Amino acid sequence: GQNIDQPTEMTATEGAIVQINCTYQTSGFNGLFWYQQHAGEAPTFLSYNVLDGLEEKGRFSSFLSRSKGYSYLLLKELQMKDSASYLCATLDSNYQLIWGAGTKLIIKP
Amino acid sequence: ETGVTQTPRHLVMGMTNKKSLKCEQHLGHNAMYWYKQSAKKPLELMFVYSLEERVENNSVPSRFSPECPNSSHLFLHLHTLQPEDSALYLCASSETGFSGANVLTFGAGSRLTVL
Repeated sequence: GQNIDQPTEMTATEGAIVQINCTYQTSGFNGLFWYQQHAGEAPTFLSYNVLDGLEEKGRFSSFLSRSKGYSYLLLKELQMKDSASYLCATLDSNYQLIWGAGTKLIIKP
Repeated sequence: ETGVTQTPRHLVMGMTNKKSLKCEQHLGHNAMYWYKQSAKKPLELMFVYSLEERVENNSVPSRFSPECPNSSHLFLHLHTLQPEDSALYLCASSETGFSGANVLTFGAGSRLTVL
C-alpha cells in the first residue's frame, strides 16, 4: 500500500533549528511536496523536490533521498510565526498526491 | 479578491438539512479540488474537476455532491450528513489537473459541524 509517515508533533525553541522527517512508500514517485498550514488557515506551498539533494529557500530547506524514501524539512532561526502544521505529500506514478497526516510544530520562547 | 475564497467559513447543520459550500478562485487555474481534513488524519481527496472532466474518490458517500459550473467556481452540496462528516473542507486549485507536479493553492476551508 501507499504510506507516508511523519511525526505527529514536535517542539522547538525560538532561534533554534528543527528537522521534520517524512518517510514514504508509494507506487512510483514523481516528487515530494511540503506545505505549511497555520491553525485555521489555508495550507501554503513551501517546496517541491524531485531530485536527490538539498534545496534551500531562505530559512527553510528541503532534502530528498529517493533511494531511502526519505525527506526532511529543515527550519533555521526559528521564529514564533513558524508554529504551524507541516504537511508532506508525494506524487505517485499516476500523479496522485499521497498526503501524510502532518506534523504540528510548537515553538517556545 | 485574489487567491481561493471559500464560504461559509463555519457551518453547523443538522442531519436532515441541505446546505452547500462554495469555492471561488481568481487565479485563472484550470483545475479545482475538494479535500476533507480531519484531525490528525491525511488530507482526503474527494473530487477533482479539470477542464470539465471530473474525477472522484469512490469512497466518498453520495450525500456529498459536487458541482463545477465553470473553471472559477466549485460547489459541494451536502444533504443528510452524518456526525462523522464533521471536518474542515478545503478547496484548492492548480494550473492543470490529473498530470504533472501541480502546486495547489488552497482556500482557508469551511469548518463543518454536523449535529
